[in-house]
Amino acid sequence: QQPVQSPQAVILREGEDAVINCSSSKALYSVHWYRQKHGEAPVFLMILLKGGEQKGHEKISASFNEKKQQSSLYLTASQLSYSGTYFCGTEKIQGAQKLVFGQGTRLTINP
Amino acid sequence: NAGVTQTPKFRVLKTGQSMTLLCAQDMNHEYMYWYRQDPGMGLRLIHYSVGEGTTAKGEVPDGYNVSRLKKQNFLLGLESAAPSQTSVYFCASSPGHPYQETQYFGPGTRLLVL
Repeated sequence: QQPVQSPQAVILREGEDAVINCSSSKALYSVHWYRQKHGEAPVFLMILLKGGEQKGHEKISASFNEKKQQSSLYLTASQLSYSGTYFCGTEKIQGAQKLVFGQGTRLTINP
Repeated sequence: NAGVTQTPKFRVLKTGQSMTLLCAQDMNHEYMYWYRQDPGMGLRLIHYSVGEGTTAKGEVPDGYNVSRLKKQNFLLGLESAAPSQTSVYFCASSPGHPYQETQYFGPGTRLLVL
């Protein structure tokens, strides 16, 4: 079952913060985050595992709340280069060998 | 390394025609995937393979077939194309279990079925 991302779209000014959520109706083992720029392929950002710690990548970090079956991606002091569509991919059990992706969140950063 | 490559980049088909999309990776990855991407739908898994000679169905396998005769190649076939198969197709590969390994995506193939 496809995870649900919110919001579907967000527009920010450079320097503002954003939070993107990924929710599942079922228990999750892992959540993967990808970013896709227009006309390009998705690019990996980070993986969060059940029982793992919050991860960070420069000014982009993420958390995984197993009880709520939800992951959140935090973009701090956004830069123009952060624009794109963000996808979460979820794995329900260890070794599932495949991910189920959300519908995406379109992030636009304006100067 | 070229990473993951896809051929062709763009194709126009008429309804009922057949074609094969080729995905190649030079990273010696075990797992390979075919996705389709439609506006507002995200990435949906068509078929995947966990090793040479193996294939499995994903979320939306109907109307597609795949083959993995060589470890580095994963072919996606459309036997009789339909307008509903107009989409952008992405191939991806990963070294092993996805839960610990990232998926590397190819540049995509845009397919238009008239």
